[in-house]
Amino acid sequence: AQTVTQSQPEMSVQEAETVTLSCTYDTSESNYYLFWYKQPPSRQMILVIRQEAYKQQNATENRFSVNFQKAAKSFSLKISDSQLGDTAMYFCAFMKGGAQKLVFGQGTRLTINP
Amino acid sequence: DTGVSQDPRHKITKRGQNVTFRCDPISEHNRLYWYRQTLGQGPEFLTYFQNEAQLEKSRLLSDRFSAERPKGSFSTLEIQRTEQGDSAMYLCASSLASAQAPEQYFGPGTRLTVT
Repeated sequence: AQTVTQSQPEMSVQEAETVTLSCTYDTSESNYYLFWYKQPPSRQMILVIRQEAYKQQNATENRFSVNFQKAAKSFSLKISDSQLGDTAMYFCAFMKGGAQKLVFGQGTRLTINP
Repeated sequence: DTGVSQDPRHKITKRGQNVTFRCDPISEHNRLYWYRQTLGQGPEFLTYFQNEAQLEKSRLLSDRFSAERPKGSFSTLEIQRTEQGDSAMYLCASSLASAQAPEQYFGPGTRLTVT
């Protein structure tokens, strides 16, 4: 069974700073996807970024980028120029190839301070 | 595109009562997923459908839980004889059955409180 671990329960940074959230996973699969989802307070889960395991190039979406280290089974999220609206729970998630269920980590609560 | 919708958004029930939740996926999505999320935790998978077929059920889904997607569009999740431990947020998500676009889109959730 796959497992996803987020070792940082909470993080806090000042607005405009860069912050990196950590995620490690365990799997014996070769074909899989990794995701970061954001869940703002009392609001619904939003997809932030996706990475295919077969791609060596790290995914980027505007201020959000990942550092995907396949051999180390590590998948960190970097948020540049952080904004107050980035305050949320961030979940790392794993999916076996074939559009199946997501396995989530425990989440990291990120607070951006003005 | 109206996104994934769920109804009701909140449900308070007494222990032992039955409850039913509804999920309407994004219209062109053929896969529909149910997850449960307790406070401060990541969502846990319950079950998923491709069209009307239920393809996988988690061991978390006890006999008191049943899910349906009769016409391959909306889905219902029923919990019979609710227990206090069923109190959680129930999330629905939908996706295409596509290796090129596997990402799941979530609804706002139904928060269940069992008293």
